[in-house]
Amino acid sequence: DTEVTQTPKHLVMGMTNKKSLKCEQHMGHRAMYWYKQKAKKPPELMFVYSYEKLSINESVPSRFSPECPNSSLLNLHLHALQPEDSALYLCASSQGQGALMNTEAFFGQGTRLTVV
Amino acid sequence: GENVGLHLPTLSVQEGDNSIINCAYSNSASDYFIWYKQESGKGPQFIIDIRSNMDKRQGQRVTVLLNKTVKHLSLQIAATQPGDSAVYFCAENAGGTSYGKLTFGQGTILTVHP
Repeated sequence: DTEVTQTPKHLVMGMTNKKSLKCEQHMGHRAMYWYKQKAKKPPELMFVYSYEKLSINESVPSRFSPECPNSSLLNLHLHALQPEDSALYLCASSQGQGALMNTEAFFGQGTRLTVV
Repeated sequence: GENVGLHLPTLSVQEGDNSIINCAYSNSASDYFIWYKQESGKGPQFIIDIRSNMDKRQGQRVTVLLNKTVKHLSLQIAATQPGDSAVYFCAENAGGTSYGKLTFGQGTILTVHP
């Protein structure tokens, strides 16, 4: 199983809503990531978790709150978003920590988020 | 067909041609590089990777070349097929405290005409 599964596939939310994006992998990977991708742009890293601990936060606004409940799951909690936060949110996973994170990262299909 | 760097983001080729997609990376400390393919509405899909102690790596119909002297990476696709049409991204990782931090290039749109 080389799949990273993201739910939901599409999400429309108002600026006062609270919602969560979910990501799951069963490859035994211990590093998980959130990326944001705007149309016609490359993915941009938001957060990195290694062994369920947050290791990189790329100065992401606090209205995005990541959570890693266990080694297979990664959530992204959303609150008071702005229309400019509309994008494709991608989850990825790879092996281990440290040098073992420099291995192939598998991506999910993404959640297409629209903030209205 | 061939694109040059990040300034020509579109490459159109005929089916059966060989394609070359180029990428100039910025960080001389980067020691791991990946090529991803992204089709419309999907997440990036791993194609091939290469570490900085190598200058060439081959996969099935694909070859990645790394020139550390000029910080240049290329992806060669042999006998390009319509199913290869997608956006191709190179990504680099600097290691050290940046382990896991992939930085993506701007991407190249490859269009393969039957």
